[in-house]
Amino acid sequence: GAVVSQHPSRVICKSGTSVKIECRSLDFQATTMFWYRQFPKQSLMLMATSNEGSKATYEQGVEKDKFLINHASLTLSTLTVTSAHPEDSSFYICSARVLAGASYNEQFFGPGTRLTVL
Amino acid sequence: QKEVEQNSGPLSVPEGAIASLNCTYSDRGSQSFFWYRQYSGKSPELIMSIYSNGDKEDGRFTAQLNKASQYVSLLIRDSQPSDSATYLCAVRPYNTDKLIFGTGTRLQVFP
Repeated sequence: GAVVSQHPSRVICKSGTSVKIECRSLDFQATTMFWYRQFPKQSLMLMATSNEGSKATYEQGVEKDKFLINHASLTLSTLTVTSAHPEDSSFYICSARVLAGASYNEQFFGPGTRLTVL
Repeated sequence: QKEVEQNSGPLSVPEGAIASLNCTYSDRGSQSFFWYRQYSGKSPELIMSIYSNGDKEDGRFTAQLNKASQYVSLLIRDSQPSDSATYLCAVRPYNTDKLIFGTGTRLQVFP
């Protein structure tokens, strides 16, 4: 399968700071990436769809000004949590859909970023 | 009505048995179906994709799709304790990039 990386894997920050998470497709180009959030013992929640070269599409209830998404290249999408607060503490996971090759149409996840806001 | 439904479990099976995981979906126009495995504290890992009615086998895993019944299942043969995880069913509805996930079924394989 295709490989998606995320950085950092874990971050602890103070309330009010901003945190940037990077998501990279390592062996394929990804015109579309997805950002999810998962609280302990809960389901994956799709936050937004990131489109290369255009604005992200946010799911209902997700604040676009708080969760800034940039997809500037075919292999990189970033999620910035602005003015983070303790309630933003969660497991953030990105994924990317493969549109060519043996894994065509499949969607692979990065390893996730665990954010803790103090 | 939830778009993708799974029994939350836990489903407990003995080592060496067949584990059967089920999923139903509501969008009849869906074309792509996926099973993911998620260990506690980790991100989902793709196990299988299936697009046509019938069975698809990959090692110990068999995915089964019945579009008429809007039903997809995953069989795990010779279950191992290392298979203990949450299994997520995901469906991509027609004309969208998004995957719709079920809430997952927790599988426990005991020695």
